[in-house]
Amino acid sequence: GQQVQQSPASLVLQEGENAELQCNFSTSLNSMQWFYQRPGGSLVSLFYNPSGTKQSGRLTSTTVIKERRSSLHISSSQTTDSGTYLCAMERDTGYQNFYFGKGTSLTVIP
Amino acid sequence: EAAVTQSPRNKVAVTGGKVTLSCNQTNNHNNMYWYRQDTGHGLRLIHYSYGAGSTEKGDIPDGYKASRPSQENFSLILELATPSQTSVYFCASGEGGEQYFGPGTRLTVL
Repeated sequence: GQQVQQSPASLVLQEGENAELQCNFSTSLNSMQWFYQRPGGSLVSLFYNPSGTKQSGRLTSTTVIKERRSSLHISSSQTTDSGTYLCAMERDTGYQNFYFGKGTSLTVIP
Repeated sequence: EAAVTQSPRNKVAVTGGKVTLSCNQTNNHNNMYWYRQDTGHGLRLIHYSYGAGSTEKGDIPDGYKASRPSQENFSLILELATPSQTSVYFCASGEGGEQYFGPGTRLTVL
């Protein structure tokens, strides 16, 4: 089954609106990472967030390991935020391997 | 000065042919990974490596081999390419739970 569930699968925002993206994990994990991907592009790391809250500009990531979840908050969205947001969990297997979610496709319209 | 590079960026191969995808990293990371990304499946782990000379099977290794001749280089080899291996392939390096991705290789097997 899917180890990493992301929601929503897609989201359309008006520019300036906020967004909350969720990532839930079905198994125990060591840490997790959020990525951004443009269509046809590579993955750019947004946050490596083992636990707690991290902020970078308009982006805030909060991870609660015990509850097996992480969220990515985007405030005051801009059209350049459009793309796919992926979360990945580091498996709690003693090895540094990762499961990825299927992503949230975000479209910000002007 | 991209830290993870891949070659070729695009490749068209014939069914039954041999394909080698190359990855080079300048991060000096011990861990390297090969993923494929397909619509509806997200990113899936094919092979990974913990250091020069080591290769390990990921979640979908069938039909693929890997080679890690040095700290910097990690190759993915398709001995007998099939149309089902048409995909976008990403290489990544990682340490301490974080991953850094290359730009991807788009492979089409006809």
